[in-house]
Amino acid sequence: RKEVEQDPGPFNVPEGATVAFNCTYSNSASQSFFWYRQDCRKEPKLLMSVYSSGNEDGRFTAQLNRASQYISLLIRDSKLSDSATYLCVVSTSGGYNKLIFGAGTRLAVHP
Amino acid sequence: DAGVIQSPRHEVTEMGQEVTLRCKPISGHNSLFWYRQTMMRGLELLIYFNNNVPIDDSGMPEDRFSAKMPNASFSTLKIQPSEPRDSAVYFCASSKGQPGTEAFFGQGTRLTVV
Repeated sequence: RKEVEQDPGPFNVPEGATVAFNCTYSNSASQSFFWYRQDCRKEPKLLMSVYSSGNEDGRFTAQLNRASQYISLLIRDSKLSDSATYLCVVSTSGGYNKLIFGAGTRLAVHP
Repeated sequence: DAGVIQSPRHEVTEMGQEVTLRCKPISGHNSLFWYRQTMMRGLELLIYFNNNVPIDDSGMPEDRFSAKMPNASFSTLKIQPSEPRDSAVYFCASSKGQPGTEAFFGQGTRLTVV
């Protein structure tokens, strides 16, 4: 079983739609969680960190459920520019910051 | 800040040749990661250094792969001999190392082994 699992998609949605991605992780000792965004033929970049209480950044909302070991990302009012691959990232504990990436979920927003 | 710098950006080599990928992390970052990305397998962690010491190399595919970090500002990933299945994008990333800190990626090296 992979340490971090995501639905690869693609999710094809019209502009203005709300879309949600989920991600599950296997290591219950994981400490930190992130969502990264990767555009085609580019490097991954941090979209947002995921906090235990949930957090929001504009149209983006991230949630963490430690009991069920899953993380979610909600995008409201989708824009064409949101088209990208969204990578779920989990940091293991042990005093270090070993970052494990999911394979990503591809989002395509169309007019 | 210049960000994480990787070289070369593109590399095409023949099977059996040695390939060396280079990375300069962000100054002040004490953790460095090498990842490999393919369509089939996604972004795989190959090796992770903390304060120049390899902490976890369980992701290194086989003995043909080796990585070094001789100092805080330089790391290499070497493949010898290279094989066509090594073709992928190799990313280097660095972070401040404390749990919960984000990693910043270089632009990657696109390796093609023919």
